[in-house]
Amino acid sequence: QSVLTQPPSVSGAPGQRVTISCTGSTSNIGAGHDVHWYQQLPGTAPKLLIYGNINRPSGVPDRFSGSKSGTSASLAITGLQAEDEADYYCQSYDSSLSGYVFGTGTKVSVL
Amino acid sequence: EIQLLESGGGLLQPGGSLRLSCATSGFTFNNFAMSWVRQTPGKGLEWVSLIIGSGGGTYYADSVKGRFTISRDNSKNTLYLQMNSLRAEDTAVYYCAKGKGMLLENYCFNVWGQGTLVTVSS
Repeated sequence: QSVLTQPPSVSGAPGQRVTISCTGSTSNIGAGHDVHWYQQLPGTAPKLLIYGNINRPSGVPDRFSGSKSGTSASLAITGLQAEDEADYYCQSYDSSLSGYVFGTGTKVSVL
Repeated sequence: EIQLLESGGGLLQPGGSLRLSCATSGFTFNNFAMSWVRQTPGKGLEWVSLIIGSGGGTYYADSVKGRFTISRDNSKNTLYLQMNSLRAEDTAVYYCAKGKGMLLENYCFNVWGQGTLVTVSS
């Protein structure tokens, strides 16, 4: 059972902006631990999209951005494109569990 | 180019054992923590275990503690996961992943293998 909660799905038309929330608690996000985001295209392994709350690895378009506040974090995708259809997961560390935790995952659909 | 290649998955009965391997290339293996993450078919991701670069520190999810053992051979640039007392709920695709970060609590996984499927069923 995931300790980071995400909406099961979000959708938007091409060119629109969508956001994905990641809600945690005082033992993970709220404890100051970094939040990271992964994109998983159908049939492939996850790919790091955002690390350290706001940073993009080389090669990730600046349409993707991350933010964090309190016990939650968000991933925003602006200028939504068909190739963005994928599952997205947040990840952090939980002090109570002494381990890494992933969000429940969000499926992004482009209408 | 960094590459991670898992192997060793398969079909086995409950109570059985299996060892997964992850052969790596393209980076200085002993400088980085490595992890195993699994994904139940059609469902989400679950962190399983992590080992620091020197191999001196290992960490496990409660769901596998006492049954799984992570190890590494830095001379072979290879990561391992020994899985014992396997249960049906261990059925998943197992990914090896390279760790990134300054503090253990802020690690992310910046490179992933393609995964290997482990199926536990009678």
